[in-house]
Amino acid sequence: GAGVSQTPSNKVTEKGKYVELRCDPISGHTALYWYRQSLGQGPEFLIYFQGTGAADDSGLPNDRFFAVRPEGSVSTLKIQRTERGDSAVYLCASSPDDRDTEAFFGQGTRLTVV
Amino acid sequence: AQSVSQHNHHVILSEAASLELGCNYSYGGTVNLFWYVQYPGQHLQLLLKYFSGDPLVKGIKGFEAEFIKSKFSFNLRKPSVQWSDTAEYFCAVNAIGGGNKLTFGTGTQLKVEL
Repeated sequence: GAGVSQTPSNKVTEKGKYVELRCDPISGHTALYWYRQSLGQGPEFLIYFQGTGAADDSGLPNDRFFAVRPEGSVSTLKIQRTERGDSAVYLCASSPDDRDTEAFFGQGTRLTVV
Repeated sequence: AQSVSQHNHHVILSEAASLELGCNYSYGGTVNLFWYVQYPGQHLQLLLKYFSGDPLVKGIKGFEAEFIKSKFSFNLRKPSVQWSDTAEYFCAVNAIGGGNKLTFGTGTQLKVEL
């Protein structure tokens, strides 16, 4: 597709459940980023991939959060044992590489934990 | 680590008024600077960016920003706003060589009234 695609656009889950959020980057972009945006805040960095490997996961809040990008294209953010505090918009971005280039964002997945 | 401050959280202007949104960052090294915009119901889009060179940068839709290194500032300006500029504006930085991961400010919600 022409832009970064994220699915689902909305996800409601019960506390304690497991969720997966998917990101399909712009074709050919080797760098992929996950951010989390809570209400009234700017996006906060979670993790980024250069190719298949996680180059920096310093923003992941705890070990309930995990992300993969097995073939260097689509990425999945996985959250185990969800908590109400995980409710936020999860944003994915991609860029041609991880040097000084523009990042292109998807529409985000709004996660609500009830 | 970097941090970004946006001083105005909510701004209301009448059409044709001039706009200036403040952005200051904190970081000991060299950064790239960005302004992103999020129109209602849409994804984050790049408005303009500064990597190097002329500190006055021009972006889309008549926006411009000036990088003042001595003040660690990158304020966004537009001489005459339109109703269609109603959106949320985010200032962001990344550290050169830091993998392109962005640190965002908390955002400024701009409402332009007819």
